[in-house]
Amino acid sequence: DQQVKQNSPSLSVQEGRISILNCDYTNSMFDYFLWYKKYPAEGPTFLISISSIKDKNEDGRFTVFLNKSAKHLSLHIVPSQPGDSAVYFCAARGSSGDKLTFGTGTRLAVRP
Amino acid sequence: DTAVSQTPKYLVTQMGNDKSIKCEQNLGHDTMYWYKQDSKKFLKIMFSYNNKELIINETVPNRFSPKSPDKAHLNLHINSLELGDSAVYFCASSSRGDQYFGPGTRLTVT
Repeated sequence: DQQVKQNSPSLSVQEGRISILNCDYTNSMFDYFLWYKKYPAEGPTFLISISSIKDKNEDGRFTVFLNKSAKHLSLHIVPSQPGDSAVYFCAARGSSGDKLTFGTGTRLAVRP
Repeated sequence: DTAVSQTPKYLVTQMGNDKSIKCEQNLGHDTMYWYKQDSKKFLKIMFSYNNKELIINETVPNRFSPKSPDKAHLNLHINSLELGDSAVYFCASSSRGDQYFGPGTRLTVT
């Protein structure tokens, strides 16, 4: 029963273009969403988050969009850089506690 | 000045052994976690402690016992290791929101 899904296991994008990573969730009790970036042999690094009271949050090149009615969120990276190549995990949390539920990740490759 | 640190980074051991993984955070966070990333790269929570008290236990076998001597440390002790325990174990900490992860401990049981 996977409550957070990232249906694209991989994505390849040209340097300078936009990368769009998608995430879907099924649990309507989730009210806080996060994106993490992970390099090989390192722990996930927090990137950006969004509360369910918002539909957009922006931080530099990274923007997260939330569509609550569709239970869908996306991470936009623009412009993409080779250093962005990593695995990106979407995570969600309910209001009842700290537990994060993760998606299975999307491997982003940014081509020079 | 690592925020969340874990030791060891790699651990290779035989079935049936008992081993511990240590975690420390210097962020002043109240809550700490253990996650397991299995061979399918799926990150799943195992335990959470808030101010040294267990608040989440996700039906993990009782061979796994977390210990929090203070709110900056959360150690994971595993008894009678099995082949299926091979995974990468991540420690994390948070304070009212975003969780920050350690570098992971790759456990290999042979």
